[in-house]
Amino acid sequence: SQTIHQWPATLVQPVGSPLSLECTVEGTSNPNLYWYRQAAGRGLQLLFYSVGIGQISSEVPQNLSASRPQDRQFILSSKKLLLSDSGFYLCAWSVGTGRPFFGEGSRLTVL
Amino acid sequence: GQQLNQSPQSMFIQEGEDVSMNCTSSSIFNTWLWYKQDPGEGPVLLIALYKAGELTSNGRLTAQFGITRKDSFLNISASIPSDVGIYFCAGTGNQFYFGTGTSLTVIP
Repeated sequence: SQTIHQWPATLVQPVGSPLSLECTVEGTSNPNLYWYRQAAGRGLQLLFYSVGIGQISSEVPQNLSASRPQDRQFILSSKKLLLSDSGFYLCAWSVGTGRPFFGEGSRLTVL
Repeated sequence: GQQLNQSPQSMFIQEGEDVSMNCTSSSIFNTWLWYKQDPGEGPVLLIALYKAGELTSNGRLTAQFGITRKDSFLNISASIPSDVGIYFCAGTGNQFYFGTGTSLTVIP
């Protein structure tokens, strides 16, 4: 069966520090991968999605970037965090545009 | 990206009451999905709908795919405290979009 994991689960970082959140999927090949941000327990904002290795689409211009170095690995990064980057980050995968399955989430607090 | 209009934004109900929420879009969708998110966790799929007019149940939950393919409804009967969370709708066409969420609080 397919599983998705993301880490770390919780992160507290100072302003200006770098960020790396990692997401991996098991049990499927060539999934579509997504990074969402959720502020204050509300709606899901799509940040990046990827349909294949090295293929990244950005939905919202921002201080973050994403990379897909391997088929089932998706990484969210920042060189210098801002206070506004705080939030709950969710990775998800789908087969094509089928129903997405979400990871456990990563809580980022920027101080 | 596009978001669906989901209402109500929040609900405070007594345990045992029924709950109704809905989701509307200006676009036609091929699939409607309903998720529940517990605090501090990722959303989990509750119900998937694949055909206009389809009515599907999952325990105390019932969801319907609107005939116009532009809306969907989720009902929860006889609510219990563990129903607390945020409920999201999602619609899929050539890509999928999420609703803005309905926050449900159940008062024992």
